[in-house]
Amino acid sequence: GAVVSQHPSRVICKSGTSVKIECRSLDFQATTMFWYRQFPKQSLMLMATSNEGSKATYEQGVEKDKFLINHASLTLSTLTVTSAHPEDSSFYICSPRKDNYGYTFGSGTRLTVV
Amino acid sequence: DQQVKQNSPSLSVQEGRISILNCDYTNSMFDYFLWYKKYPAEGPTFLISISSIKDKNEDGRFTVFLNKSAKHLSLHIVPSQPGDSAVYFCAASASGGNQFYFGTGTSLTVIP
Repeated sequence: GAVVSQHPSRVICKSGTSVKIECRSLDFQATTMFWYRQFPKQSLMLMATSNEGSKATYEQGVEKDKFLINHASLTLSTLTVTSAHPEDSSFYICSPRKDNYGYTFGSGTRLTVV
Repeated sequence: DQQVKQNSPSLSVQEGRISILNCDYTNSMFDYFLWYKKYPAEGPTFLISISSIKDKNEDGRFTVFLNKSAKHLSLHIVPSQPGDSAVYFCAASASGGNQFYFGTGTSLTVIP
């Protein structure tokens, strides 16, 4: 159990365009979704936390208007990087969580903005 | 199906003793492995890694062992300290590192 699907796994986009990353919990309902990003040689950094049906809570330094998070259902959350710039190039990982469940992670999305 | 498994959800160890956290994987294409540590209310932090060309990597009190034939890796913490109490995740990737597969974590408690 606890299967998570995140896609795309890799995306290259032009500067100024938007990219949407999807994260699905396939066999459980995630009440909470965490979104992380990881820059090279650094640890995972929490970007935001969202609960189903409510607005996401963003960590300090993360622009909420740039990184749009939608957690409309208990099995799907999306992260949209709007007006992407080269400095947004990173590795993005979702982590759906259900109460009393172990931690689960998506397989990650490598975003390259050119 | 889970490609990376941590079958022990929790582990308790006395301070000063060795902590051994285990991780199994199913995909023989995995060639790079990492361990993360996570404190409550914080994101996971990178701890130590190992590539498949090695069977051991050591960093201070932390040593990771890789047994490719058994598709098994373990993290040894010696000596264990109360500050090591956290959730530990192993993660694996295939060549290129574009996708990482995480285990579900083992909660380590080091008892003073």
